[in-house]
Amino acid sequence: DTGVSQNPRHKITKRGQNVTFRCDPISEHNRLYWYRQTLGQGPEFLTYFQNEAQLEKSRLLSDRFSAERPKGSFSTLEIQRTEQGDSAMYLCASTTGTTDTQYFGPGTRLTVL
Amino acid sequence: DAKTTQPPSMDCAEGRAANLPCNHSTISGNEYVYWYRQIHSQGPQYIIHGLKNNETNEMASLIITEDRKSSTLILPHATLRDTAVYYCIVRVSLYNFNKFYFGSGTKLNVKP
Repeated sequence: DTGVSQNPRHKITKRGQNVTFRCDPISEHNRLYWYRQTLGQGPEFLTYFQNEAQLEKSRLLSDRFSAERPKGSFSTLEIQRTEQGDSAMYLCASTTGTTDTQYFGPGTRLTVL
Repeated sequence: DAKTTQPPSMDCAEGRAANLPCNHSTISGNEYVYWYRQIHSQGPQYIIHGLKNNETNEMASLIITEDRKSSTLILPHATLRDTAVYYCIVRVSLYNFNKFYFGSGTKLNVKP
């Protein structure tokens, strides 16, 4: 399968714990996005990478959140000291070229107890 | 700061055309309209996009009004597998990247 993959698909954690999610984009895609989606809402932009550079971060990305994309390949999103309000689906999308059509992964569903 | 407005839900009979409306009255001249759909517990799937002209592909047709303030996604022969949440999105070109603004979407129920 050559689509965007995300791991894990589900994560249950206790409040205060740290979690890390991984996204593997389509191999030739140099641009990568992270989104957060809460129940009944559309995805909201979190952050954007072009190759290994993080070029944009949303106000939603508090200082407990950090994202990396070493070597411009896979990306990780870490949430420190999780709170119940962090419970959501975290989606990754990748793209390339001028059309910028984003291809989404299946998401990681986080539940903070 | 959603830039699109969609009805929360719609019903459609299997085999009939599904017409999903979207208002984007504040859209600017260089901002594209994209449509994605999301089936339960999956990531959004790309359907179609356009700027000014009507567009058609193997999945759907996109009709954009002349003033670009609204658009309609048409699924010509809806099947039960088309039951999903459909998102109308405005793509805004910022100084260093393109940002997608998702609304709350329309839940399309295709009924036998």
